[in-house]
Amino acid sequence: EAQVTQNPRYLITVTGKKLTVTCSQNMNHEYMSWYRQDPGLGLRQIYYSMNVEVTDKGDVPEGYKVSRKEKRNFPLILESPSPNQTSLYFCASKRGPNQPQHFGDGTRLSIL
Amino acid sequence: SQQGEEDPQALSIQEGENATMNCSYKTSINNLQWYRQNSGRGLVHLILIRSNEREKHSGRLRVTLDTSKKSSSLLITASRAADTASYFCATDPQNDYKLSFGAGTTVTVRA
Repeated sequence: EAQVTQNPRYLITVTGKKLTVTCSQNMNHEYMSWYRQDPGLGLRQIYYSMNVEVTDKGDVPEGYKVSRKEKRNFPLILESPSPNQTSLYFCASKRGPNQPQHFGDGTRLSIL
Repeated sequence: SQQGEEDPQALSIQEGENATMNCSYKTSINNLQWYRQNSGRGLVHLILIRSNEREKHSGRLRVTLDTSKKSSSLLITASRAADTASYFCATDPQNDYKLSFGAGTTVTVRA
């Protein structure tokens, strides 16, 4: 089954403790992206990647890092999480230009 | 940046009625996409309409695009309880990678 898989689905952690949210897609898509969703703000793009080793900042990249060492994986790293990064996070992938995105089920992060 | 803006923010209708929501955006686009999100779940793609298209259908969904007014509409006909969800428009601007979402329209279909 074609899918985008995120882990963990839920995480409660404390300020400053490094964490990684993994994202994997099995559709051989070149493009992957991370979003955060906050009430009243819709989805905002954090980082995106056009292919292996090619990443760029989205609209809200501060406090986040990404890497794209393999085509299927695009982890999101919070080196020193803070409470304002409490949010619902989505990973997405797509085949190429003018194509729809496929979303994972989301990761709900709470940073105390 | 949030380019698409949906209107209304919320909509409550009776089962069997039609639901219409609108999306306005600011800059030139390659395409505009509509997504549905059920509570607490990921977004599901509904329709992609390219900038040179004016109307597109998929089952009970009809999407229009007016690039001169920078607006789009999503019509759900003969609504069902299962259509209860939030609906988002997303604009795919010229660089093709920074998809911008609006804040969404929450649709409630009453039985």
